[in-house]
Amino acid sequence: AQSVTQLGSHVSVSEGALVLLRCNYSSSVPPYLFWYVQYPNQGLQLLLKYTSAATLVKGINGFEAEFKKSETSFHLTKPSAHMSDAAEYFCAVSESGAAGNKLTFGGGTRVLVKP
Amino acid sequence: DADVTQTPRNRITKTGKRIMLECSQTKGHDRMYWYRQDPGLGLRLIYYSFDVKDINKGEISDGYSVSRQAQAKFSLSLESAIPNQTALYFCATSGTGTVNTGELFFGEGSRLTVL
Repeated sequence: AQSVTQLGSHVSVSEGALVLLRCNYSSSVPPYLFWYVQYPNQGLQLLLKYTSAATLVKGINGFEAEFKKSETSFHLTKPSAHMSDAAEYFCAVSESGAAGNKLTFGGGTRVLVKP
Repeated sequence: DADVTQTPRNRITKTGKRIMLECSQTKGHDRMYWYRQDPGLGLRLIYYSFDVKDINKGEISDGYSVSRQAQAKFSLSLESAIPNQTALYFCATSGTGTVNTGELFFGEGSRLTVL
């Protein structure tokens, strides 16, 4: 069975500061890993994904994440926070090569950006 | 127009009532999913369908049923709604074969309140 743990349900950062959201996963097979973002009153949209290619993955809006197999982690970072980054972020895992795209999601981290 | 459309977007109902949430998509994807979002719990899979003749239970299917009326339509029903089914419900789709990027595409959500 696969699972995802996001450390911290709420994160507050100042505009211009580093954004770091933590995600640890467990999976019995090599995983596919995803970060999704949810803006208020909207559905989820994909920020970036890891599918066994490069371990450092770049996504939209200046976000990136690094897959570290030894640490079973896939932390999301952005060097400089912008007010528009205020949203909820979800890490998700699926089993690579498995039929279908059943994603297991973490509990989410809500990001507040202070001026 | 959105690629994945959910109706209704908001619904308030009473305990014991039957409720149907509908999802339609124009992405031409075979795979469709229903997730439920609760604060702190992330998204949890209710049901999924890999094609019109395929229906599978997810991790929290009790109290729910689904119907895949066509490739483009997947509805979720609550036969007798109860207050702990108050949540935000998301429909999602994904492709197969050469269009399978591992990514889910989400609708904007249906907020259900059961009094």
